[in-house]
Amino acid sequence: EVQLVESGGGLVQPGGSLRLSCAASGFKFREYHMDWVRQAPGKGLEWVGRSTDKVHSYSTAYASSVKGRVTIARDASDDLLYLQMSTLRTEDTAVYYCVRNLRGYSSTWHGNYYYMDVWGKGTTVTVS
Amino acid sequence: SYVLAQPPSVSVAPGQTARITCGGDNIGTKSVHWYQQKPGQAPVVVVFGDSGRPSGIPERFSGSNSGSTATLTISWVEAGDEADYYCQVWDNSSDHVVFGGGTKLTVL
Repeated sequence: EVQLVESGGGLVQPGGSLRLSCAASGFKFREYHMDWVRQAPGKGLEWVGRSTDKVHSYSTAYASSVKGRVTIARDASDDLLYLQMSTLRTEDTAVYYCVRNLRGYSSTWHGNYYYMDVWGKGTTVTVS
Repeated sequence: SYVLAQPPSVSVAPGQTARITCGGDNIGTKSVHWYQQKPGQAPVVVVFGDSGRPSGIPERFSGSNSGSTATLTISWVEAGDEADYYCQVWDNSSDHVVFGGGTKLTVL
């Protein structure tokens, strides 16, 4: 069974740091783009960042709102995805989801796309 | 940065058709994905690549995308369809994932 399990959330003071983990199982972790997506209380979904698959060298991309304060990393040997967060702000309070992306192909514009096909249950980060 | 606009809410009676729009500049040139999120749960993809439907998602869910608007259509709406729905694209210019603000579907 394909599964993503997040951990590491908790209460942290403003300016503090926290590392979230995501344990992946049931699929070849290295073959998938992996994202972190967050949702503040009562708000919509916000993309945090991405770690691409091995073919794309595990490169990373980050949302402007967190760039410079977060780092996404993988432990490929243990199928773990990490989100290292620093200089945390009250507005970083949210449920953080670990997400797998599946590749599809558009015959309209002849290119690949990626959509979020598997989500973890999320881990809650409270900055206060 | 690329912006996706969704109506905050849509209401429909059971058995009717709900249409949720997602507007964006030339969104018809992008692939749009739709997610359903029920209270206290993680999102679930209901439409991918404009009109694809994952296994396990009822045929009542369909999608279209053209010009400046993508649309999620839910036919024969049921009480269990009540949820928040989000559209999502990849913005090539910024290399960012973009979500719409979400639409709350209420089944009357």
